[in-house]
Formats: sequence, structure tokens, C-alpha cells
Amino acid sequence: GESVGLHLPTLSVQEGDNSIINCAYSNSASDYFIWYKQESGKGPQFIIDIRSNMDKRQGQRVTVLLNKTVKHLSLQIAATQPGDSAVYFCAENISNDYKLSFGAGTTVTVRA
Amino acid sequence: NAGVTQTPKFRVLKTGQSMTLLCAQDMNHEYMYWYRQDPGMGLRLIHYSVGEGTTAKGEVPDGYNVSRLKKQNFLLGLESAAPSQTSVYFCASSFPLGLAGGLNIQYFGAGTRLSVL
Repeated sequence: GESVGLHLPTLSVQEGDNSIINCAYSNSASDYFIWYKQESGKGPQFIIDIRSNMDKRQGQRVTVLLNKTVKHLSLQIAATQPGDSAVYFCAENISNDYKLSFGAGTTVTVRA
Repeated sequence: NAGVTQTPKFRVLKTGQSMTLLCAQDMNHEYMYWYRQDPGMGLRLIHYSVGEGTTAKGEVPDGYNVSRLKKQNFLLGLESAAPSQTSVYFCASSFPLGLAGGLNIQYFGAGTRLSVL
């Protein structure tokens, strides 16, 4: 499953498929980006981050891609599992600044 | 290691009542933050603190006050609650940016769900 365009608030994906969640950021001065996962009834949980001197970073089953030219980043989840059902937020930051600016979030639902 | 703990988890207030939300962290973080989360919106920063005894306004500070008397605690107060303050409130903490290489990874509590009738 893939959320196309700048941002879709929901994404439904079949268990075992790969998920792609997109995020457009607004500040061209932002040089640090974080993806958070928020499960129902819980607080946001750090997943992965990337600095602007990179265009790709991999974690366990997750990959973040950054395209500074169009101010876009994406989170790819490999072999999506039921436990991946959550709201995913991207956040942008300028290094050494206290402020994180959060996107509106994408709700991912995994179908069995 | 409990991380960031928020109390209470749920609260219902009547318009005009006051309350204090408590946030405690055991990670020795210098920075602490209060956010609110409303349906369909991202997290919005209310107030933040870069150290014991210091506080500063965020994006949406009106109607809220904060205090950071101890490094591990950050309190959010509503002096006269309004229905517009119905929301989910999250506390977060992070290391000082200078120690973290400028990387502002914030760690969040589980939230306080507040309804103002």
C-alpha cells in the first residue's frame, strides 16, 4: 500500500505487503527529520530519524527517504504486520532548535 | 526505567474549574515540553522548558501556565478551563541539544485525556 501525493490521512495495507507513508515538510531550513509511531491510547514513539546530509537511512524493517529538492520524506515499512497499525507522524526540525514541527499524521490500518 | 510518566490519565472538568497536569521523567533530561493533540491535527507545542526554573511559550500558550521547580517534573496548569481546552495532552523530554549533537529526539508520555464540559 502507498499513500500518494503530498499527504493522505489514511492508508490501508494488506498484511505482508510493504507500506509507504509520505510527508511533505514546509521549512526549507529544516535539516533534521523524525518519524514517530502512535498506537491507540499511547504517546508518540520514536521510530527513525534522518539528517539532511543523507537521503536514505535504514532501520529494522523501516527505511526513511529524504528528497530535499521537493521537501519530501517517506517512511517505508517492509512486510507490514498487524502491530504496525498506528498513526505515523513526521516531524521536522532545525538542528539546535528546540522546536519540532509535526505533520497531521497518517493512520495505517493493516488488513489480515 | 519508567521514562516519561503523566498523571492523571483521564480527567473531566466543568467550565471554569482549574487543574494541574503532572509530568515526571527519570531520564535526567534537561528539556521538557507540553503539547496538545486535537483530532486531525499534529501535536502543537504549548510551553517548554530548557532547564529547572525556566519556562517559555510555545505555539498555543494562552490559557495555560507551567512550572519547572524540579528538573524531573514539569507541571501544566489550567486556571479556568474552557471547552476549547478539551484535548489530549502530551508531555515530552529530551537531552540538551548541545549534548545530543543538535538532534532533538523527544520522548513522550502516554498522555492525559481531558474533557471540559
